[in-house]
Amino acid sequence: DVKVTQSSRYLVKRTGEKVFLECVQDMDHENMFWYRQDPGLGLRLIYFSYDVKMKEKGDIPEGYSVSREKKERFSLILESASTNQTSMYLCASSLYPRVTEKLFFGSGTQLSVL
Amino acid sequence: EDKVVQSPLSLVVHEGDTVTLNCSYEVTNFRSLLWYKQEKKAPTFLFMLTSSGIEKKSGRLSSILDKKELFSILNITATQTGDSAIYLCAVEALLDMRFGAGTRLTVKP
Repeated sequence: DVKVTQSSRYLVKRTGEKVFLECVQDMDHENMFWYRQDPGLGLRLIYFSYDVKMKEKGDIPEGYSVSREKKERFSLILESASTNQTSMYLCASSLYPRVTEKLFFGSGTQLSVL
Repeated sequence: EDKVVQSPLSLVVHEGDTVTLNCSYEVTNFRSLLWYKQEKKAPTFLFMLTSSGIEKKSGRLSSILDKKELFSILNITATQTGDSAIYLCAVEALLDMRFGAGTRLTVKP
């Protein structure tokens, strides 16, 4: 089975801190994604990546950056955390060269910014 | 602007009931529609639909797509407490996948 692992289940940070969310997949998938999930808004795409060192903005990239130095690892960075970035963050990966197809999700990181 | 709308947003039923969850969409360059079940944290894949009128079935769950009217339904028959979850509808377009807000289903014993 594909495994997508997010490094933290729960994080509490202070406003202005730099935050790193890590995601690792073990099935050699080409595509990796970062979403945030908020009640009533569903999943919204922050950034995605088709390949190592490649990144594309999603719907809501403001306040975030990403890094993909290795194929299996996709990091989401909050340069200066703000309270409106309190959310559930979900990482996902997919095998095929097309953008999406079936996504495999990590278990999520609930981030609280105080 | 592309959008995916799910209804209802929440639903409470009793075990044994049958439920129908709805997903309507407006996207350019439609490729497929997917249903996911999210119980605790990680959504898990249920169905992918690409053709109109062809029902996909897995146990008590089934789903169908209408590409003319731009919607899909997810049916769950003889519901069980283990079906309690958020059900997410996602539509794959040319360059991205767009999610609906989800339907939170609660099945009471």
